[in-house]
Amino acid sequence: NAGVTQTPKFRVLKTGQSMTLLCAQDMNHEYMYWYRQDPGMGLRLIHYSVGEGTTAKGEVPDGYNVSRLKKQNFLLGLESAAPSQTSVYFCASSYRDSLNSPLHFGNGTRLTVT
Amino acid sequence: TQLLEQSPQFLSIQEGENLTVYCNSSSVFSSLQWYRQEPGEGPVLLVTVVTGGEVKKLKRLTFQFGDARKDSSLHITAAQPGDTGLYLCAGPENTGNQFYFGTGTSLTVIP
Repeated sequence: NAGVTQTPKFRVLKTGQSMTLLCAQDMNHEYMYWYRQDPGMGLRLIHYSVGEGTTAKGEVPDGYNVSRLKKQNFLLGLESAAPSQTSVYFCASSYRDSLNSPLHFGNGTRLTVT
Repeated sequence: TQLLEQSPQFLSIQEGENLTVYCNSSSVFSSLQWYRQEPGEGPVLLVTVVTGGEVKKLKRLTFQFGDARKDSSLHITAAQPGDTGLYLCAGPENTGNQFYFGTGTSLTVIP
């Protein structure tokens, strides 16, 4: 089983450039999430989706946009990258509400903005 | 504002020693989860605790949920190098639609 797959694994951007991170899950999970992980900060939720066609803001949504056009895919976009967005980005999915099922994470995308 | 505070932030111990890491909050959580993350990978769920005072064991790992459901601890007995990793606690927001993660404890077990 592939589980949760994130692409790309690494990316370097210049300030002002745009990019899209792709997350794909093959577990038929309803819920999907995008987190960023920074040293000493743990994981912080950027955006999440409770089903196809729906998205919602998390703790740190500014500067990011998301789309969930298909149940298995959750895209994270940066329209104009800033050095503060240098981070490791993790996508996760869960079967229903996260209270009763674990989060399944991808292996992350390391993004550097110069 | 960090809802879940973990301590210590870093821990380096010798193989065979025991250790405890803590996850504390001023908020009540309906449940708490513990994850372990290895370098270059995403976090992987270890356990979910649901009932106040609950104790769960996973081989040499013992997890406890505080009576008031505001805190949790993870105790490792006779630590091994394979226990090295980042340990994260996480608790659900009221609607259950999102999880808050703690700041993490980075554990290194020296052979």
